[in-house]
Amino acid sequence: DAEITQSPRHKITETGRQVTLACHQTWNHNNMFWYRQDLGHGLRLIHYSYGVQDTNKGEVSDGYSVSRSNTEDLPLTLESAASSQTSVYFCASRETATGELFFGEGSRLTVL
Amino acid sequence: AQRVTQPEKLLSVFKGAPVELKCNYSYSGSPELFWYVQYSRQRLQLLLRHISRESIKGFTADLNKGETSFHLKKPFAQEEDSAMYYCALMSGSARQLTFGSGTQLTVLP
Repeated sequence: DAEITQSPRHKITETGRQVTLACHQTWNHNNMFWYRQDLGHGLRLIHYSYGVQDTNKGEVSDGYSVSRSNTEDLPLTLESAASSQTSVYFCASRETATGELFFGEGSRLTVL
Repeated sequence: AQRVTQPEKLLSVFKGAPVELKCNYSYSGSPELFWYVQYSRQRLQLLLRHISRESIKGFTADLNKGETSFHLKKPFAQEEDSAMYYCALMSGSARQLTFGSGTQLTVLP
């Protein structure tokens, strides 16, 4: 079955370190997204991609970057982790015809 | 800019009672609206979308353009309905999805 997977599921890191969260989907969807989920803020869009070599900034992109070298993967990198980036991160891919998003299980990141 | 407002962070109802989760949006164009749900220890998943006009797990939602609302309703809540519910708006040529802040629904026995 096609799916979307995130790794790691849990990560603890220190302020200033670089962190990369992986996202891999097997639906062959062109559209992929990274969101962060915080209490009181819901889901906020960090970055998104509509195809290979395409990346775009979302609502809360400062301190984050993504790259899209193939259809399946959209890794999210925190160049220098900050405590404000402690959150749960969700990757999603979108079925073009219906607009439905398919989410990964989430990656809980703690920055100490 | 588009915005989605879910005024209730927390909502508790008793089993068998009706439930309504409120969602209001602001968008100048023609909106596409969705409800997503996250059950405990499960992934976020699509519950329903206005364009399909379907009822899923007994839930319905009607788009009211005059009131710019897309409230989620169920006549008789069940304990398994307890979850976090997000309203979402898809807008613009880029079809970006904007989420509300979510409502945590608890159905009490």
